[in-house]
Amino acid sequence: DVKVTQSSRYLVKRTGEKVFLECVQDMDHENMFWYRQDPGLGLRLIYFSYDVKMKEKGDIPEGYSVSREKKERFSLILESASTNQTSMYLCASSFSYLNTEAFFGQGTRLTVV
Amino acid sequence: KQEVTQIPAALSVPEGENLVLNCSFTDSAIYNLQWFRQDPGKGLTSLLLIQSSQREQTSGRLNASLDKSSGRSTLYIAASQPGDSATYLCAGTGAGSYQLTFGKGTKLSVIP
Repeated sequence: DVKVTQSSRYLVKRTGEKVFLECVQDMDHENMFWYRQDPGLGLRLIYFSYDVKMKEKGDIPEGYSVSREKKERFSLILESASTNQTSMYLCASSFSYLNTEAFFGQGTRLTVV
Repeated sequence: KQEVTQIPAALSVPEGENLVLNCSFTDSAIYNLQWFRQDPGKGLTSLLLIQSSQREQTSGRLNASLDKSSGRSTLYIAASQPGDSATYLCAGTGAGSYQLTFGKGTKLSVIP
């Protein structure tokens, strides 16, 4: 079974802090994604990566950055956390450009106070 | 840009009933269509993937179909159980795109 693991289930951070959300997949997938999920807005894509060190902006990249130094790991960085970044963050991976079946991690509930 | 709509937003049915969840999309050039289940406070679990050359997929009591010409997909759940209570989301990948575009989901409640 594909396993996508997010480093934390719950996080509480202060406004202005730099926050790192980590995601690891164990199936040699090329593509990795970060989404946030908010009530009434659904899932929105923040960033994705289709190869090591490659990244593309999604629909809502402002206030975020990402890092993919190794194929299995994709990190989401909140440069200076703000209260409007309080949300559920979901990491996903898929095998390749042609095989886009996505598998998700368990989610990280981030609260910025 | 692809838009995905799921109606209704919420559905309540008695245990044992067969039901259909609907998903519609604006761009018929959809490549893959995937159905997910999400339990409260959890991540998404992949249920079924319909690839571009396929029209339907089945897994146990679940059957998903895809009609690109009408821009619709349906998820059929047979003999519903209380454990089926969750939010069901559909998502599509456009041709030439890596990313999934999600609907906002249908929250299903199966009443014992």
